[in-house]
Amino acid sequence: EPEVTQTPSHQVTQMGQEVILRCVPISNHLYFYWYRQILGQKVEFLVSFYNNEISEKSEIFDDQFSVERPDGSNFTLKIRSTKLEDSAMYFCASSEQGSQFFGPGTRLTVL
Amino acid sequence: GDSVTQMEGPVTLSEEAFLTINCTYTATGYPSLFWYVQYPGEGLQLLLKATKADDKGSNKGFEATYRKETTSFHLEKGSVQVSDSAVYFCALGSSASKIIFGSGTRLSIRP
Repeated sequence: EPEVTQTPSHQVTQMGQEVILRCVPISNHLYFYWYRQILGQKVEFLVSFYNNEISEKSEIFDDQFSVERPDGSNFTLKIRSTKLEDSAMYFCASSEQGSQFFGPGTRLTVL
Repeated sequence: GDSVTQMEGPVTLSEEAFLTINCTYTATGYPSLFWYVQYPGEGLQLLLKATKADDKGSNKGFEATYRKETTSFHLEKGSVQVSDSAVYFCALGSSASKIIFGSGTRLSIRP
């Protein structure tokens, strides 16, 4: 069964450093998403992406964040200068048009 | 804006007990409703969904009915197992748009 994959599973970084989180969506899906879950809190929407552009973003998704689909398979989330409060689990999701399928997540720890 | 409210956890039950996790929503339009499950150390898995009023979603013995009149989507299971221990998220979304999650309910099942 096709699934969304994410790498790395755990990333530790120093405050102020740039990180890139990688996702491989399900191959025939057209819509891509990033969500995050701060430990013990609810899952929050960050951004959606369709047809090579952002279709919607939340207030959390400020200028420090960017997304890219650099080739036909990967979908990345970049955080330019990480802050302590960026520590969270980041989930990628993809959909054809209906249900979203989530990856296993990348746990980002900012020290 | 749209929102989801679900019962606070944790919920602790004995094996074979009946489970209900309450969920209510506020939405403009006619969203789809979802239950996602997050097992310890894993990502989000779609458990079941319903796309319109009076639809019943079901999977693995879990059921939830889309009740427009009470704006609810309560999760039920007749006989829980230890392996059902997880965090359960109620959520809503419209086609290809972001998913809005509830705060999650941690379920623990005692043998």
